[in-house]
Amino acid sequence: DVKVTQSSRYLVKRTGEKVFLECVQDMDHENMFWYRQDPGLGLRLIYFSYDVKMKEKGDIPEGYSVSREKKERFSLILESASTNQTSMYLCASSNPMGGRTQYFGPGTRLLVL
Amino acid sequence: QKEVEQDPGPLSVPEGAIVSLNCTYSNSAFQYFMWYRQYSRKGPELLMYTYSSGNKEDGRFTAQVDKSSKYISLFIRDSQPSDSATYLCAMSSLISNFGNEKLTFGTGTRLTIIP
Repeated sequence: DVKVTQSSRYLVKRTGEKVFLECVQDMDHENMFWYRQDPGLGLRLIYFSYDVKMKEKGDIPEGYSVSREKKERFSLILESASTNQTSMYLCASSNPMGGRTQYFGPGTRLLVL
Repeated sequence: QKEVEQDPGPLSVPEGAIVSLNCTYSNSAFQYFMWYRQYSRKGPELLMYTYSSGNKEDGRFTAQVDKSSKYISLFIRDSQPSDSATYLCAMSSLISNFGNEKLTFGTGTRLTIIP
């Protein structure tokens, strides 16, 4: 069974903290994605990666960075968390030849105080 | 103007009714048109996708695409309480020569089926 896991379901952090969100997939997918989901705005793409050590900016990369050192793992980093980064963060993965089927993790709800 | 527009609802219908969910889009480069379903406190899961204009049926679900009007729909027949979820339309566009695609999502429509 397809599986995308995220390191935490809920996180509470303080303004200015460095935050790491981790995502692991067990499907040997090349593509991995990070989205944030906000009411009224839907899912917005932050960063994505085609392959190990490769990364591309999505639609809203400001304030975020990513790391992909291993094929199965894609990390989202908030260098200095701010209150406007309070959101639901969703990780997804896909196979390039079946790209429209993105498999999502359960999400991490982040609250920045 | 957003590339994909979707009425956020909420939408409440009685069990057994036909549900119609819709999205419009402005980007002619979109190639595939998808519907994802997201239950509360879960990640989205793909329901179905279509490529060309026309209808595609899968059980109680029918996806319809009208590329000339830039309009897509999802119909749910004989709706069940278990269909209560947020439904997100999504559209893909190519971002590389290797077949990698990017998805652009609608905001989602929250649907409740009342028993």
